[in-house]
Amino acid sequence: GAVVSQHPSWVICKSGTSVKIECRSLDFQATTMFWYRQFPKQSLMLMATSNEGSKATYEQGVEKDKFLINHASLTLSTLTVTSAHPEDSSFYICSRGTGKETQYFGPGTRLLVL
Amino acid sequence: AQKITQTQPGMFVQEKEAVTLDCTYDTSDQSYGLFWYKQPSSGEMIFLIYQGSYDEQNATEGRYSLNFQKARKSANLVISASQLGDSAMYFCAMREDYNFNKFYFGSGTKLNVKP
Repeated sequence: GAVVSQHPSWVICKSGTSVKIECRSLDFQATTMFWYRQFPKQSLMLMATSNEGSKATYEQGVEKDKFLINHASLTLSTLTVTSAHPEDSSFYICSRGTGKETQYFGPGTRLLVL
Repeated sequence: AQKITQTQPGMFVQEKEAVTLDCTYDTSDQSYGLFWYKQPSSGEMIFLIYQGSYDEQNATEGRYSLNFQKARKSANLVISASQLGDSAMYFCAMREDYNFNKFYFGSGTKLNVKP
């Protein structure tokens, strides 16, 4: 069964609003979780590493103030897209900190900003 | 330079036939892992197979096998006896063990299985 869940799976919002996406590790207390972004027909790009109890580590080119990450517990990380604009429309996928041989991904959240 | 290269944007295969999806990688690290994921239209990333850089034998998982050629830095995925449900995007990924949690993904290959 699924080991990582995401909520919501779909969200449509108006430009200028903020959207929160939740990522839960269902079977494991994850000190580290990851957020990816995927544009249509493109690959996954790592946005940030979410660290429980400390600040997230953002990849180069990712705006920290735009994409707020909170990892308040060992099973929950949240990504908030602040003041969303149409160019933020994308597929956002989280994953949990890994064993050696794989990384488990959530089912993803499709964001459409009108 | 790109870490992972998948040169086949799209592939067609007849049902029940085998198909090879190409992947080459670039790293100077001696210890790394190679992965293949399947992404159906639903978007979920499904783990298929893993190959460690020190593994001497090619990894196999059911109908999936990874043709690992270290000197060529290639990690091709072979799907035997293709099924209609195999139609999806396939991503090759690499993780360098010095940065254990960071994955690099290729651009993907869209596989279409024809009945």
